[in-house]
Amino acid sequence: QVQLQESGPGLVKPSQTLSLTCTVSGGSISSGSYYWSWIRQPAGKGLEWIGRIYTSGSTNYNPSLKSRVTISVDTSKNQFSLKLSSVTAADTAVYYCARAIVVVPAASGWFDPWGQGTLVTVSS
Amino acid sequence: SYVLTQPPSVSVAPGQTARITCGGNNIGSKSVHWYQQKPGQAPVLVVYDDSDRPSGIPERFSGSNSGNTATLTISRVEAGDEADYYCQVWDSSSDLNWVFGGGTKLTVL
Repeated sequence: QVQLQESGPGLVKPSQTLSLTCTVSGGSISSGSYYWSWIRQPAGKGLEWIGRIYTSGSTNYNPSLKSRVTISVDTSKNQFSLKLSSVTAADTAVYYCARAIVVVPAASGWFDPWGQGTLVTVSS
Repeated sequence: SYVLTQPPSVSVAPGQTARITCGGNNIGSKSVHWYQQKPGQAPVLVVYDDSDRPSGIPERFSGSNSGNTATLTISRVEAGDEADYYCQVWDSSSDLNWVFGGGTKLTVL
């Protein structure tokens, strides 16, 4: 079955850019009508959707983060990536990548599966 | 943007039934999905499209959705069900497509 794995630096300095990559295994990132997403969770808090990308390259971002977020896809490597610029301590969180299944006629979409998550700390 | 409201905590004795609610304006018109998150682990989908279960999820987990409230029901609760539970909808009408509830901590007494 499809598995996702996040990778990237665990420590980022304030004002710099956070960069993470999600590697998809057990299936092609290009197969099926899936959206590939990033979600984050500050310690002790709830889940926040960051954004998603379709394999065509079309993206959609959380309006609260839109000015700082870029999500890209590399189908040749079966990976998609997240860049979050101008980070502050408020961006410290566990970052998850996940596959989003969307059924447009039913206006329904959910996340399955998820990566194990990676903690990113913003600190000097 | 669309708002989902969950109670912060629910407690239940082993063997009893736990009900976790998710409130939203006319949520019955949307499809609701539920995730279980145990400490230090990633969320796991336990119910999708209001009441469907992914393969591998016990039948003890069920869902319903009507009016302004969706409910995740866990029957015959076990100690291993203790976790945080999040509801989520896909809101095609706004830029914030994927919305999560604040989460509910289920404590098994």
